[in-house]
Amino acid sequence: NAGVTQTPKFQVLKTGQSMTLQCAQDMNHNSMYWYRQDPGMGLRLIYYSASEGTTDKGEVPNGYNVSRLNKREFSLRLESAAPSQTSVYFCASTETGGILQPQHFGDGTRLSIL
Amino acid sequence: KNQVEQSPQSLIILEGKNCTLQCNYTVSPFSNLRWYKQDTGRGPVSLTIMTFSENTKSNGRYTATLDADTKQSSLHITASQLSDSASYICVVSGVTDKLIFGTGTRLQVFP
Repeated sequence: NAGVTQTPKFQVLKTGQSMTLQCAQDMNHNSMYWYRQDPGMGLRLIYYSASEGTTDKGEVPNGYNVSRLNKREFSLRLESAAPSQTSVYFCASTETGGILQPQHFGDGTRLSIL
Repeated sequence: KNQVEQSPQSLIILEGKNCTLQCNYTVSPFSNLRWYKQDTGRGPVSLTIMTFSENTKSNGRYTATLDADTKQSSLHITASQLSDSASYICVVSGVTDKLIFGTGTRLQVFP
């Protein structure tokens, strides 16, 4: 049971470089999410996709773009990385059809921007 | 402002002992409250989800309580094990399904 798989696990970038974080889930979930986790702060929602073909901004979307490639995959792109984007990024998925569904998280991508 | 506050920030206990973690929230209107366990270097894993009508919910040695009137929840861990060492995150959802995460309590269990 793979669940939610994120790649890469670690990445170091220079300011201004671009990169895409990949996320795939094998639970046939409709909804997918991208969060960032910073020291001393709770997880914050960057973007989410309620279903294939739709994406919406979360709490901190500036500097990021997303693509819901298909039902399984949801990618996060940093077009021009900034040191403030140094963080741990988590992808999550959940089944829709009820507000009491737990979110299933991947193990994160640790991103450092120099 | 919708907020979720957890206490203590960190806690050290001996293996076999019990402990209780606290969560206070100001989210309104309230839909549900969740507790997650996050091992170091891993993603959060769901422990319990409770609606306003539920006072208590258990998952093995983990028991969560909820008082929707005072906007407080607790997570009680019974007979702690070394594997309980982790961060425990309280998450509150309003009616829009937006999740508001607390900053977590870091628990360390020593032999």
